[in-house]
Amino acid sequence: DAMVIQNPRYQVTQFGKPVTLSCSQTLNHNVMYWYQQKSSQAPKLLFHYYDKDFNNEADTPDNFQSRRPNTSFCFLDIRSPGLGDAAMYLCATSRGTSGVYEQYFGPGTRLTVT
Amino acid sequence: AQTVTQSQPEMSVQEAETVTLSCTYDTSESDYYLFWYKQPPSRQMILVIRQEAYKQQNATENRFSVNFQKAAKSFSLKISDSQLGDAAMYFCAYRSAEPGNTPLVFGKGTRLSVIA
Repeated sequence: DAMVIQNPRYQVTQFGKPVTLSCSQTLNHNVMYWYQQKSSQAPKLLFHYYDKDFNNEADTPDNFQSRRPNTSFCFLDIRSPGLGDAAMYLCATSRGTSGVYEQYFGPGTRLTVT
Repeated sequence: AQTVTQSQPEMSVQEAETVTLSCTYDTSESDYYLFWYKQPPSRQMILVIRQEAYKQQNATENRFSVNFQKAAKSFSLKISDSQLGDAAMYFCAYRSAEPGNTPLVFGKGTRLSVIA
């Protein structure tokens, strides 16, 4: 059973052309996270939502935005993608923000910027 | 800031053998959580095992066990009776137990190959 779903799995966009990545969950979790994972690197947290409360990591570029219209869905918007934004983008969910709660990851969306 | 170091970019193991993946971390906190995540090729990352820092007993999950050495800030993963399905990227991760949201801090990963 799919629990954290990401669409599309592969996305190609042009330099500077806005792109939106989608994440949905069937777990009814309060928290949704977006991570960026560049090739051969560790995942890096961009931001998260606790319900409707948005929390941005301090070093996340302004070029990255997020929306969470309801519990099930969360979107990552990249306003003007640069070549350096090519990466795997991982969505994750958890029941709460404490470390006691497991994070469930989606399969990721691989973004290519041409 | 906390850091997690995985010093083995790649490892290989024969099927049915045992392999140990290394992880060290740096923190000034006394209470935290440590995790090993598995990321198979083109599939989602899943939690393999979790250790709570205040528990001295090493966590085990079937063929997976950890060697948690708090004083040494070491958290290695042992995979026994390795199977072909164990081939994946393995990430060690740290998370503070402080109230509120604290991010998962990942190591760079170890790519494990299993040889038939």
